[in-house]
Amino acid sequence: DQQVKQNSPSLSVQEGRISILNCDYTNSMFDYFLWYKKYPAEGPTFLISISSIKDKNEDGRFTVFLNKSAKHLSLHIVPSQPGDSAVYFCAALAFGNEKLTFGTGTRLTIIP
Amino acid sequence: KAGVTQTPRYLIKTRGQQVTLSCSPISGHRSVSWYQQTPGQGLQFLFEYFSETQRNKGNFPGRFSGRQFSNSRSEMNVSTLELGDSALYLCASSTGSNEKLFFGSGTQLSVL
Repeated sequence: DQQVKQNSPSLSVQEGRISILNCDYTNSMFDYFLWYKKYPAEGPTFLISISSIKDKNEDGRFTVFLNKSAKHLSLHIVPSQPGDSAVYFCAALAFGNEKLTFGTGTRLTIIP
Repeated sequence: KAGVTQTPRYLIKTRGQQVTLSCSPISGHRSVSWYQQTPGQGLQFLFEYFSETQRNKGNFPGRFSGRQFSNSRSEMNVSTLELGDSALYLCASSTGSNEKLFFGSGTQLSVL
């Protein structure tokens, strides 16, 4: 039962354009959401997060949007840079249960 | 501050053998989580230890086990290895509240 889903396994975006990565979840108990970035041969690194009491959180070039009614979140990267090429995982957490549930990942390729 | 350290980096085993993986968390972190990453499956949660106690467990067979020591270091053991156990095993640590996990680089296990 995949409670966190990333339906696009891969995405290619021109350098300088906006990258939009999507994530859907099914568990209404999730109240905290995160995005992680992973380069080959390295562990995932934390990128940005959002609490369910917010609908937007911004950090530099990265913005995460949360639509609770649709159980959907997205990560916007603008402008996209070659160093952004990586696999991006969204993850969700229900407070009181410290198990972080990850999606299957989206491989983002930025084309120079 | 040293990051999360996982050893060994690579392992090759044959079916039926057992294997032990090690994880040293960031100093001061009391929670250690283990994940399995396979292509197309994302990061599958194995278990989490907090202060030497298993706090959460994923949906893996009993062949997968773990433990945590008083210094917060953790080990994961897989017995009677199967070909499908070939994967990248990632360890992550946190202070105890898992809004932000810090990952190691992983142990790449190949079962032949």
